[in-house]
Amino acid sequence: GQQLNQSPQSMFIQEGEDVSMNCTSSSIFNTWLWYKQDPGEGPVLLIALYKAGELTSNGRLTAQFGITRKDSFLNISASIPSDVGIYFCAGQNYDRGSTLGRLYFGRGTQLTVWP
Amino acid sequence: KAGVTQTPRYLIKTRGQQVTLSCSPISGHRSVSWYQQTPGQGLQFLFEYFSETQRNKGNFPGRFSGRQFSNSRSEMNVSTLELGDSALYLCASKDPPAAWSGSSSYNEQFFGPGTRLTVL
Repeated sequence: GQQLNQSPQSMFIQEGEDVSMNCTSSSIFNTWLWYKQDPGEGPVLLIALYKAGELTSNGRLTAQFGITRKDSFLNISASIPSDVGIYFCAGQNYDRGSTLGRLYFGRGTQLTVWP
Repeated sequence: KAGVTQTPRYLIKTRGQQVTLSCSPISGHRSVSWYQQTPGQGLQFLFEYFSETQRNKGNFPGRFSGRQFSNSRSEMNVSTLELGDSALYLCASKDPPAAWSGSSSYNEQFFGPGTRLTVL
């Protein structure tokens, strides 16, 4: 199956610092996605990227879809305590002629923010 | 709109038993996917149902099965439980567009809170 390598595995930062995490794949994807999961909850979509080279922002979050379609990164600027959680990258390909398709997830980045 | 609901939220079973988990998608969503989340393997895709038919399947043994009803609600079943089946089982729903029209038609999956299954 398609393997996603996400790094770093964990980060401990101080409030106000910027954060960067990335994800690489052995295969290309049509769509790259970034999710955040809080304890006891399911993942929540933060940013979706549809085109190679695309750079998209959502508030303090910025993500890019790599040119090779095999990688993506997520930046969080000026971190705050509520940014704590696990961040997952995910890639998706659609079946030919279909809008259905599975997600392949990275292993996650555990973010801890110290006040 | 209510979100994706999963029942039960917590479940404890013993090896060899079977279990059925339930997922109610967001109203109007026709696709339901199931994922298994464990510390060792991360988030792994189990299967996707659309219009009561299984459309995609991950690499899980036949002990894992599912179904979808006409109201889009879905159940997954695990038979002959093993210790390694202990996990958080997540359900996600979406309303896929009729056709893939290129880069801007991503159809977001909304995840439920999961069912925490513990096998003793």
